[in-house]
Amino acid sequence: DIQLTQSPSFLSASVGDRVTITCRASQGISTHLAWFQQKSGIAPKLLIYAASILQSGVPSRFSGSGSGTEFTLTISSLQPEDFATYYCQQLKSYPLTFGQGTRLEIK
Amino acid sequence: EVQLVESGGGLVQPGGSLRLSCAASGFTFSNYWMSWVRQAPGKGLEWVANIKFDGSEKYYVDSVKGRFTISRDNAENSLYLQMSSLRDEDTGAYYCARYIRETTRDYYYMDVWGKGTTVTVSS
Repeated sequence: DIQLTQSPSFLSASVGDRVTITCRASQGISTHLAWFQQKSGIAPKLLIYAASILQSGVPSRFSGSGSGTEFTLTISSLQPEDFATYYCQQLKSYPLTFGQGTRLEIK
Repeated sequence: EVQLVESGGGLVQPGGSLRLSCAASGFTFSNYWMSWVRQAPGKGLEWVANIKFDGSEKYYVDSVKGRFTISRDNAENSLYLQMSSLRDEDTGAYYCARYIRETTRDYYYMDVWGKGTTVTVSS
């Protein structure tokens, strides 16, 4: 199975900050990686797919990069509505797996 | 509007069974792979199962193999998850999601999710 490790697991930041979340895969997954945002008690929302393609309707302050085993999600200028938990997911092979999540909180 | 609505969750005793449903609308259901993803209380996301658009291929996470069965009825625009031999660790929210496979561009992702239905396994 492909393991995904996100770092950090917890992040405290302020409105307007630039933040980066990293996702490392235990083996190469090309660009078969997606990023999701989840707010408490609500279904996950797709932000990025194919490592760097912004899902329709997602603000351009979100961006993704990487290939192989290392990926990043960057939020260029945090907005109040961005405080949530973020997950990466690999879709290279079954079983599909998620990272453990990064909780982004207001400083 | 593209929409997925799950139902069928509830309280069940360990060893019991439950059938979840997911009603799809706003898109041609029979053209898409579909997924089930779950989330234990306070925990992260876990993919559970995938099914091909015509039902001919099915994939499961190891922890549910032999206990859960994913199926679909394209005439009814519905996805199902039959769960049996339920365990405490199966407790959580269950989401259905549309699974996009753009093989020509090598893109794979889950773009639409339902709001989820909650399963509680407890005596």
